[in-house]
Amino acid sequence: AQSVTQLDSQVPVFEEAPVELRCNYSSSVSVYLFWYVQYPNQGLQLLLKYLSGSTLVKGINGFEAEFNKSQTSFHLRKPSVHISDTAEYFCAVSVNAGGTSYGKLTFGQGTILTVHP
Amino acid sequence: GAGVSQTPSNKVTEKGKYVELRCDPISGHTALYWYRQSLGQGPEFLIYFQGTGAADDSGLPNDRFFAVRPEGSVSTLKIQRTERGDSAVYLCASSLTGLLTDTQYFGPGTRLTVL
Repeated sequence: AQSVTQLDSQVPVFEEAPVELRCNYSSSVSVYLFWYVQYPNQGLQLLLKYLSGSTLVKGINGFEAEFNKSQTSFHLRKPSVHISDTAEYFCAVSVNAGGTSYGKLTFGQGTILTVHP
Repeated sequence: GAGVSQTPSNKVTEKGKYVELRCDPISGHTALYWYRQSLGQGPEFLIYFQGTGAADDSGLPNDRFFAVRPEGSVSTLKIQRTERGDSAVYLCASSLTGLLTDTQYFGPGTRLTVL
């Protein structure tokens, strides 16, 4: 079975500072990787996803993530955060077991990013 | 266009009661997922529909939980004899085909509180 670990439950940061939210996964088969963001009182919104190809993936709102197969990581980064980035961020995987695989997601526990002025 | 909608947004019920939670997916999406998010946790998979059929219900915690999607669009999650431990936010998501590569679009969730 696959699992996802988000190493930090809360990350406080000042506005315009860089930020990295860490995500590690475990799986015996290949996976697709996702980052979702949840703003207060809103549904989950896809930030970016890694399916194949370049290991550096760019998403919306200036976020990017790098897939590292050897370290089984998919850390999310932003070079300069804004107050509006305050939200909870979830890393997720779907398992590519071939055949009839479908998009069932396994999520991490979430990281609350708080951007201070 | 309209996104995924869920009703009600909040539901408070008493232990032992029956509840129904509704999900309206994006029009034309054949795949529909239900997840449950407990306080301080990430969402956990409950059930996946492809069209009208439940292709994977392995995440349903026990036989008190049941879901239907009779016409391949709207889905209802049904919980019998609710328990306090069922309190959580229930999320619905839909995607165009259900492929691994498809983006899942989430609704705002239904917050269920069992007193």
